[in-house]
Amino acid sequence: DTGVSQDPRHKITKRGQNVTFRCDPISEHNRLYWYRQTLGQGPEFLTYFQNEAQLEKSRLLSDRFSAERPKGSFSTLEIQRTEQGDSAMYLCASPGATDTQYFGPGTRLTVL
Amino acid sequence: AQSVAQPEDQVNVAEGNPLTVKCTYSVSGNPYLFWYVQYPNRGLQFLLKYITGDNLVKGSYGFEAEFNKSQTSFHLKKPSALVSDSALYFCAVRDQAGTALIFGKGTTLSVSS
Repeated sequence: DTGVSQDPRHKITKRGQNVTFRCDPISEHNRLYWYRQTLGQGPEFLTYFQNEAQLEKSRLLSDRFSAERPKGSFSTLEIQRTEQGDSAMYLCASPGATDTQYFGPGTRLTVL
Repeated sequence: AQSVAQPEDQVNVAEGNPLTVKCTYSVSGNPYLFWYVQYPNRGLQFLLKYITGDNLVKGSYGFEAEFNKSQTSFHLKKPSALVSDSALYFCAVRDQAGTALIFGKGTTLSVSS
């Protein structure tokens, strides 16, 4: 257990629906990352927060995706109007002062 | 641009034999290198990292990795493989200025009894 939790662990939705995922990082870590992992690939960076500020966004983060970290603690990732290509594992990571990113168990999204 | 290559999709080894999982990288400046392991339907577990210092880095579960600057490699090794080491292994890199990790495609390690 890395101390990073994600909810839900699995989500099945129909194309066109909106979904929201939550990440609770290690409490004393002020940075938080979101990655996406598709089958047969390594994780790909989506976005990064320092406290409540979203400091970096990947070109993978289309305008249907939005992420927030309102109080600098937990974060949410919302996908609007889901497409089948959004099916993936969404991973949250919380790095400590030693630059090591500790990952949560992930949320597996299936879009039908 | 930063990149990581894991040239082998799968590595097969017999239990008790040494194992090597290969990784090469491309990054501007000094690299920060990491190995993670992933079991089915699970998140990534950190194994070890190289930031600076000794080229041979020791990590969790008896794994180690050797940083070779001239060959831009960071191969993962273990002297004696266990069946329970069977999993998907990812190498990752970032540069000193970067924040996000760049991952390789992963190598599936299969250890047979």
